[in-house]
Amino acid sequence: AQSVAQPEDQVNVAEGNPLTVKCTYSVSGNPYLFWYVQYPNRGLQFLLKYITGDNLVKGSYGFEAEFNKSQTSFHLKKPSALVSDSALYFCAVRDVSGFQKLVFGTGTRLLVSP
Amino acid sequence: GAVVSQHPSWVICKSGTSVKIECRSLDFQATTMFWYRQFPKQSLMLMATSNEGSKATYEQGVEKDKFLINHASLTLSTLTVTSAHPEDSSFYICSARPGSPSSYEQYFGPGTRLTVT
Repeated sequence: AQSVAQPEDQVNVAEGNPLTVKCTYSVSGNPYLFWYVQYPNRGLQFLLKYITGDNLVKGSYGFEAEFNKSQTSFHLKKPSALVSDSALYFCAVRDVSGFQKLVFGTGTRLLVSP
Repeated sequence: GAVVSQHPSWVICKSGTSVKIECRSLDFQATTMFWYRQFPKQSLMLMATSNEGSKATYEQGVEKDKFLINHASLTLSTLTVTSAHPEDSSFYICSARPGSPSSYEQYFGPGTRLTVT
């Protein structure tokens, strides 16, 4: 079964510093990977996806993610964090069977301090 | 583009009553819609997948008779929580996937906060 793991419950970073939110995956076949962000009491907003092609994927709000096949990782990164980036981040992988649902990680709370 | 709405955004109901939550894709047709439940500080739990014109497919452990899902059109799916109890209180989120075969993305609604008293 497809799965993703987010090993960190929370990541703390100072504004202006680079940030990384980790995600590793376990899939059969080629992975379709996604990052979403959730602000309090809101639904999920799409940040970026990896389907195929370049390993470095650029997304919304200055975020990017690097697909690493050998390490089965898809870490989310941003060169310079903003306080407004503080939110809950979910990594997800698309299931290959049935309705191709998304399987989510447990989420990582990002806290950017001023 | 690709906007999904949910109504209501929050609802408070008494134990034993039923509550209907609507999920609409506003600017695209969604052949598939998904319903999730999220507990505080936890990830999203997929409850069911609905396809327009057919019965919903429920995840293991989700009570079909309690969480009724109807996908009546390509832009509307509804979730009805029947005979609600306090343990049904949660944040319910829907998502919709466009009908294009090449679409890889799901677009999420803003969520509905249900509180059962």
